Amino acid sequence: SAVISQKPSRDICQRGTSLTIQCQVDSQVTMMFWYRQQPGQSLTLIATANQGSEATYESGFVIDKFPISRPNLTFSTLTVSNMSPEDSSIYLCSVDSVGLGEKLFFGSGTQLSVL
Amino acid sequence: DAKTTQPTSMDCAEGRAANLPCNHSTISGNEYVYWYRQIHSQGPQYIIHGLKNNETNEMASLIITEDRKSSTLILPHATLRDTAVYYCIVLRGANDYKLSFGAGTTVTVRA
Repeated sequence: SAVISQKPSRDICQRGTSLTIQCQVDSQVTMMFWYRQQPGQSLTLIATANQGSEATYESGFVIDKFPISRPNLTFSTLTVSNMSPEDSSIYLCSVDSVGLGEKLFFGSGTQLSVL
Repeated sequence: DAKTTQPTSMDCAEGRAANLPCNHSTISGNEYVYWYRQIHSQGPQYIIHGLKNNETNEMASLIITEDRKSSTLILPHATLRDTAVYYCIVLRGANDYKLSFGAGTTVTVRA
């Protein structure tokens, strides 16, 4: 299985600031994804982080609010910009496991609280 | 995508088998059944998946009915650490990433 390290594990931020979340995988993976899980809710896919090109965003999510980097096959960052209390969520990095079987692996998540 | 229906909650005695049902009556032929679980404040953990045959791994067994409209996840010997929310979802396989976990089943294992 892929080992995914996500940092920070939690943070408390002020309204209007930005937070960058890092995701490091212990092996090269083709596909990396960012999800959001609001309190008591299911996961929502934010975007697919594409290596060497712009991320692909899902409906309702835009690059200006959630810029994503993917400089190589083992690392990605998600920035939550100009935060508001509505951005308080768990943010999860995920990778597919093509070559290890057909399943997704998730990081431990970043619990974000915006005051 | 096929939607799934799971019971809201379930209690299980430690050391006993936990059988978690899932209905996916609109599943199509190329969709897989996946099970994940999420322990409070952690990322989802993959458990098992299958297409039409029953599957077993070190964590659990997955029994899929012949018509594929329902399945059962079996935790053979539940422990307190198995207390979590269990999600049954259907995916089209390696290229389907828009996971919709639904509410899942909250499993509480009691000593």
